Amino acid sequence: DIQLTQSPSFLSASVGDRVTITCRASQDISGFLAWYQQKPGKAPRLLIYGASTLQSGVPSRFSGSGSGTEFTLTISSLQPEDFTSYYCQQLNTYPFTFGPGTKVDIK
Amino acid sequence: QVQLQESGPGLVKPSETLSLTCTVSGASIRSYYWSWIRQPPGKGLECIGYIYYSESTNYNPSLKSRATISIDTSKDQFSLKLRSVTAADTAVYYCARQYLHDLSSGFSLDYWGQGILVTVSS
Repeated sequence: DIQLTQSPSFLSASVGDRVTITCRASQDISGFLAWYQQKPGKAPRLLIYGASTLQSGVPSRFSGSGSGTEFTLTISSLQPEDFTSYYCQQLNTYPFTFGPGTKVDIK
Repeated sequence: QVQLQESGPGLVKPSETLSLTCTVSGASIRSYYWSWIRQPPGKGLECIGYIYYSESTNYNPSLKSRATISIDTSKDQFSLKLRSVTAADTAVYYCARQYLHDLSSGFSLDYWGQGILVTVSS
């Protein structure tokens, strides 16, 4: 299976901050990576697919980049509703695996 | 608006079979791939498997052939059976649409059910 790591695991930030989460794959996955946001007790919500394409309805403060084995999710200006957990997922090779997650907390 | 809803027992005994159904509305079940994902309490996400309306399937080998996914196009439902469950199978189980955007962007899980907690306990 393709392993994904995320850094940092935890991130403390303030409203208005710019934050970046990194996802690394154990092998080349081209651009087949998605990012999800998950709030407690809720299903994940798709933010980004194809490494950099914003899902319809997702605010433009979210952006994704990268290819191959290194990817980033950037939130340009944190809003109160963004303090939650984020997961990357590779969709290059089945089983499609997820990263362990990054929790964004209020500083 | 695409909606998915999981249903099934919330408690299953060890060694028995977990059975869940996902009912789809707002999209043709014949046109997409449909997936099951699970998340143990406080832990990360794991893909279980997926099905296409033609009944082609793919499963996560980590489940050691215990999982079977089937589809009923007449009811707009797809189902998961997981045999010989143990406490390690306790999780929130989600169904989702596995959407192929295009060949350069690939798949994503764009619509999810709310999830159903299944506890394995005697």
